Amino acid sequence: GESVGLHLPTLSVQEGDNSIINCAYSNSASDYFIWYKQESGKGPQFIIDIRSNMDKRQGQRVTVLLNKTVKHLSLQIAATQPGDSAVYFCAENYGQNFVFGPGTRLSVLP
Amino acid sequence: KAGVTQTPRYLIKTRGQQVTLSCSPISGHRSVSWYQQTPGQGLQFLFEYFSETQRNKGNFPGRFSGRQFSNSRSEMNVSTLELGDSALYLCASSLTGNDDSPLHFGNGTRLTVT
Repeated sequence: GESVGLHLPTLSVQEGDNSIINCAYSNSASDYFIWYKQESGKGPQFIIDIRSNMDKRQGQRVTVLLNKTVKHLSLQIAATQPGDSAVYFCAENYGQNFVFGPGTRLSVLP
Repeated sequence: KAGVTQTPRYLIKTRGQQVTLSCSPISGHRSVSWYQQTPGQGLQFLFEYFSETQRNKGNFPGRFSGRQFSNSRSEMNVSTLELGDSALYLCASSLTGNDDSPLHFGNGTRLTVT
């Protein structure tokens, strides 16, 4: 049936702490995953991607972990900064298009 | 390199009207996808174009259509607008549109239907 409406989960972290944002994906055949960051008034911005033949990938201050057994993806942000405040989406490549998760709002506390 | 450019940024239309949104992809990108973003439904896939051909289509009514030009620029059109069409419409480009290249998004067109 139709979703009534998305309740966006919120994660609040202290500036300087590490953040972990989680995502459950839907299709075990998905083979490519991306994390996006969306700030107010802007489109989603690419952060990091990972393919299904990997279980971990690191970027600058960010790490993505992939657990295919339980269809789980996580984004770790080290030393979270005020500029990291945004909504974060995971996306899986399913068929020939990307399917996006509902998003998590990250709020960085001073 | 310039990013994905969408015009206009904001639009206000009334029910029953039609609207055309424009997207210029990153130079060299041949695939353009369109998404609708609303607070209630999140990011929903509309369609994807590659080399002027619609390759993939989401679950939206026929009032939503699009096209791609030979320079990879794309337009989407919504006819007979309904209040529920109010949303942020996002265009994204990628090199191939396959599962080996990420989507790069524009900042969207905010459509309000009154």
